[in-house]
Amino acid sequence: GEDVEQSLFLSVREGDSSVINCTYTDSSSTYLYWYKQEPGAGLQLLTYIFSNMDMKQDQRLTVLLNKKDKHLSLRIADTQTGDSAIYFCAESKPGGGSQGNLIFGKGTKLSVKP
Amino acid sequence: DAGITQSPRHKVTETGTPVTLRCHQTENHRYMYWYRQDPGHGLRLIHYSYGVKDTDKGEVSDGYSVSRSKTEDFLLTLESATSSQTSVYFCAVTWQADNYGYTFGSGTRLTVV
Repeated sequence: GEDVEQSLFLSVREGDSSVINCTYTDSSSTYLYWYKQEPGAGLQLLTYIFSNMDMKQDQRLTVLLNKKDKHLSLRIADTQTGDSAIYFCAESKPGGGSQGNLIFGKGTKLSVKP
Repeated sequence: DAGITQSPRHKVTETGTPVTLRCHQTENHRYMYWYRQDPGHGLRLIHYSYGVKDTDKGEVSDGYSVSRSKTEDFLLTLESATSSQTSVYFCAVTWQADNYGYTFGSGTRLTVV
């Protein structure tokens, strides 16, 4: 199956850590991604992780992948008001064309309160 | 933004009229995709292209057609627009499918009245 699930909303206070969770169903996925969408804008690739990795860190962002449970998370340390956006989890599969297509979750709206 | 331009950025059209959206890229990406974004649905693939004149259907292709006569342009046509096609449309490109290099355009907001 091809289904990526995310919670729809998350609210945190400025300075706290945010954790956005995602589950996926297709074990053949090769890359998993986190995209950020600010209001009225397109999607911006935040980070990605290859399926044979458990963790990836990039400045304030930490991605954890539990392949056994098909669970992906994005942790944003020291969350700022500028981090308020919709965050999409996505998976891609091996091959080209539609097999290389991204399957997106519905997005998690992160609200950061000052 | 990998040199991706979507046009128009906004359009209002009447039910039953044909509409064409354009995605233009300047970096010779092989793969191009059209997605639509709707509340509660995330992004869904409409059509994609894996080369000039090579296109195929995605998850929600009914009512849409595409053409790619040259590498840089991927056109999405709504043959007879319906209110259910009111959405934000995104183009995405990559050199090689299944890698980290997907880049999205800024989107076209289409309203069908």
